Amino acid sequence: EAQVTQNPRYLITVTGKKLTVTCSQNMNHEYMSWYRQDPGLGLRQIYYSMNVEVTDKGDVPEGYKVSRKEKRNFPLILESPSPNQTSLYFCATQAGTNTGELFFGEGSRLTVL
Amino acid sequence: QQQVKQSPQSLIVQKGGIPIINCAYENTAFDYFPWYQQFPGKGPALLIAIRPDVSEKKEGRFTISFNKSAKQFSLHIMDSQPGDSATYFCAASRRNYQLIWGAGTKLIIKP
Repeated sequence: EAQVTQNPRYLITVTGKKLTVTCSQNMNHEYMSWYRQDPGLGLRQIYYSMNVEVTDKGDVPEGYKVSRKEKRNFPLILESPSPNQTSLYFCATQAGTNTGELFFGEGSRLTVL
Repeated sequence: QQQVKQSPQSLIVQKGGIPIINCAYENTAFDYFPWYQQFPGKGPALLIAIRPDVSEKKEGRFTISFNKSAKQFSLHIMDSQPGDSATYFCAASRRNYQLIWGAGTKLIIKP
């Protein structure tokens, strides 16, 4: 079954405590990206990766890091989380430019106190 | 020029009615216009998409209408059902990888 798996699904943490949200896909997709979803603001792209070792900033990259060491994994790193990073995070993958279809994970709800 | 403006923000329709969600864009280079559907607790999923060489596309009860000259596109849901209650996002891109998203519409279909 085609899957995009995110962990953790829910996390409550405190300001400044480094955390990593993992994303793994089993579809052999080259393209992966991270979004945050906030009420009234829709989906905003944080970072994306066109392939292994290739990453680039999206619209709201401040306070986040990513890495793409393997094709299937694309972790999102918050080095020093702050309350304004409280949000719902989605990882998404895409097979190629011909399809245009994004496949999303089920989301990770992060609360930073 | 990169924005996609979506309206309304929320919509309540009786079962069997035809909710209509509208989106407008500025960048004439956009060539791909998808709609995504998101149920609570789930990630968005592609519902239907259109390219600017056609003015309308239907898939089941869902229809995209596209007006290239007005730079607008809309989603219509025929014979709406309570199970269609979800948040709907429009998006646009010039190349398929980089989607520009609307802010979303929360749709409630009343039984």
